[in-house]
Amino acid sequence: QVQLQQWGAGLLKPSQSLSLTCAVYGGYFSGYSWSWIRQPPGKGLEWIGEIDPSGNTNYNPSLKSRVAISVNTARRQFSLKLTSLSAADTAVYYCARATFYWGQGSLVTVSS
Amino acid sequence: DIQMTQSPSTLSASVGDRVTITCRASQSISNWLAWYQQKPGKAPKLLIYEASTLETGVPSRFSGSGSGAEFTLTVSSLQPDDFATYYCQQYDSYPRTFGQGTKVEIK
Repeated sequence: QVQLQQWGAGLLKPSQSLSLTCAVYGGYFSGYSWSWIRQPPGKGLEWIGEIDPSGNTNYNPSLKSRVAISVNTARRQFSLKLTSLSAADTAVYYCARATFYWGQGSLVTVSS
Repeated sequence: DIQMTQSPSTLSASVGDRVTITCRASQSISNWLAWYQQKPGKAPKLLIYEASTLETGVPSRFSGSGSGAEFTLTVSSLQPDDFATYYCQQYDSYPRTFGQGTKVEIK
């Protein structure tokens, strides 16, 4: 059974960058796409992007200019970087295998 | 982007009720649709994928149907553990998109 555990800084200032990492335990790693999704407080789910088994990335056009997803297969980890943060980026960020199996979530607050 | 629209946004029901949630896509997505259940403070949990395939371990009172652009999630007999928010999501094309959610409340 796959388990995803994520971590990263929780309180950031406007204009800073967000960096989150997700470690995958159990299951096959290399054959899947790995995703990031976010959820602003009290709101719905927004897909951020994914990296596929070939290392190709797909991003939400609304965030594409500010986002990067990378993978470290040897460590069974993948990461999210989001730059030029504003208060609108305050959300719980989730990592996921494809979009089916999710990590526990990380609250990221952007505030001066 | 494909828009996913769920109805209703909120649903009040009692234990034992049969409830149905509808999800409509702005264009055909074949059967590339998943349903999730989310409880407060928790990550969404996969219930159904490919529109009608029940995820392992999910109770059989949950079922999904539909193809093309219209889909339904049905709970045949609502249990206390089922009061939560439900989301549909398409994975036919990029960007992946979610419905706005349906909150199932206790009547």
